[in-house]
Amino acid sequence: NAGVTQTPKFRILKIGQSMTLQCTQDMNHNYMYWYRQDPGMGLKLIYYSVGAGITDKGEVPNGYNVSRSTTEDFPLRLELAAPSQTSVYFCASRGQLNTYEQYFGPGTRLTVT
Amino acid sequence: DAKTTQPNSMESNEEEPVHLPCNHSTISGTDYIHWYRQLPSQGPEYVIHGLTSNVNNRMASLAIAEDRKSSTLILHRATLRDAAVYYCILRGNAGNMLTFGGGTRLMVKP
Repeated sequence: NAGVTQTPKFRILKIGQSMTLQCTQDMNHNYMYWYRQDPGMGLKLIYYSVGAGITDKGEVPNGYNVSRSTTEDFPLRLELAAPSQTSVYFCASRGQLNTYEQYFGPGTRLTVT
Repeated sequence: DAKTTQPNSMESNEEEPVHLPCNHSTISGTDYIHWYRQLPSQGPEYVIHGLTSNVNNRMASLAIAEDRKSSTLILHRATLRDAAVYYCILRGNAGNMLTFGGGTRLMVKP
């Protein structure tokens, strides 16, 4: 199993541009999450999904959108990039209700200038 | 989710045990205590979790105080590969999300 994969690894955006961060997991996990991590800080939850077709906001959803059309994929969309969205983005997944371990991807480092 | 308090940083010598403390005085009866760690330039990695009883796995041990207001992650023999930021997190029984604080940066000296 590849686990959780994220693309791209790095990206530089200009203010106002849009992009989609891709996240795929091959563990057939129902739960998927997007976090952001600012320098020297802990992770903050942006959005999460409990299964295909179901998404919900986390702690810091403003400026982002998500969709979950398949179990495997959970893309994160930035519509109008702002410097405040410069961060490292981590995708994670978790199995069934009574499993607790979240598996994280390697992250996408995004810079908005 | 209830808040946790951890020291910003700790140092350890290689091959010695490490005790990483976490205070969670406002923990509720259904909150699980989770520990994750984040190695440099990587995503977080699950370490261990528990509710009331002490827990052991291949990576570490988790000691939970009787009143559950504090816990300690124990690495039995620190290696250089254990240098990371360790996060203590409380997760409610019905919660889907993990709320990460600042964590403890563990430095391991050879």
